[in-house]
Amino acid sequence: EAQVTQNPRYLITVTGKKLTVTCSQNMNHEYMSWYRQDPGLGLRQIYYSMNVEVTDKGDVPEGYKVSRKEKRNFPLILESPSPNQTSLYFCASSFQIPTSGRSVAFFGPGTRLTVL
Amino acid sequence: GIQVEQSPPDLILQEGANSTLRCNFSDSVNNLQWFHQNPWGQLINLFYIPSGTKQNGRLSATTVATERYSLLYISSSQTTDSGVYFCAVVGGGADGLTFGKGTHLIIQP
Repeated sequence: EAQVTQNPRYLITVTGKKLTVTCSQNMNHEYMSWYRQDPGLGLRQIYYSMNVEVTDKGDVPEGYKVSRKEKRNFPLILESPSPNQTSLYFCASSFQIPTSGRSVAFFGPGTRLTVL
Repeated sequence: GIQVEQSPPDLILQEGANSTLRCNFSDSVNNLQWFHQNPWGQLINLFYIPSGTKQNGRLSATTVATERYSLLYISSSQTTDSGVYFCAVVGGGADGLTFGKGTHLIIQP
């Protein structure tokens, strides 16, 4: 089954304790991205990756790192989490429709992170 | 960057009612998707519809790209339709999806 998976689905941690949220897709998509969702602000893009070893900042990259060593995986790293990073995080992968240049995004199930 | 506005922000209906959700965007887009976020937080892809009309069961969507809006129609609403409906676009020079703030739909039995 074609899907985007994220782990963990729920995480409660403390300020300053490094954590990684994994994201994996089995659709061979080149484009992957991370979003966070906050009340009143909607979903905002954190980082994206156009392909292996190619990553770039989205709208709200501060406090986050990513890596793209393999096509299928795009982990989100919080080196020193803070309470303002408490949020619902979504990983997404996209494919481009041939000849049109348009893309379609598929989202993972979400990771609810609480930083105390 | 591109702006995405959704209306109404909240909608409460009785089961069986029909509804229309609107998404306005400020620039030309090359992707527009509608998502349903269920009460458990999962984002479900409903439609990929940068232009034209599509139907899937009780749901249909229409995008008029030249006038920069899209509409999502839900007919014969069921309680399981409750949740937040997001419109998201790619356009205005951005690479990723820009989301609207969503329409919070509550279907009462």
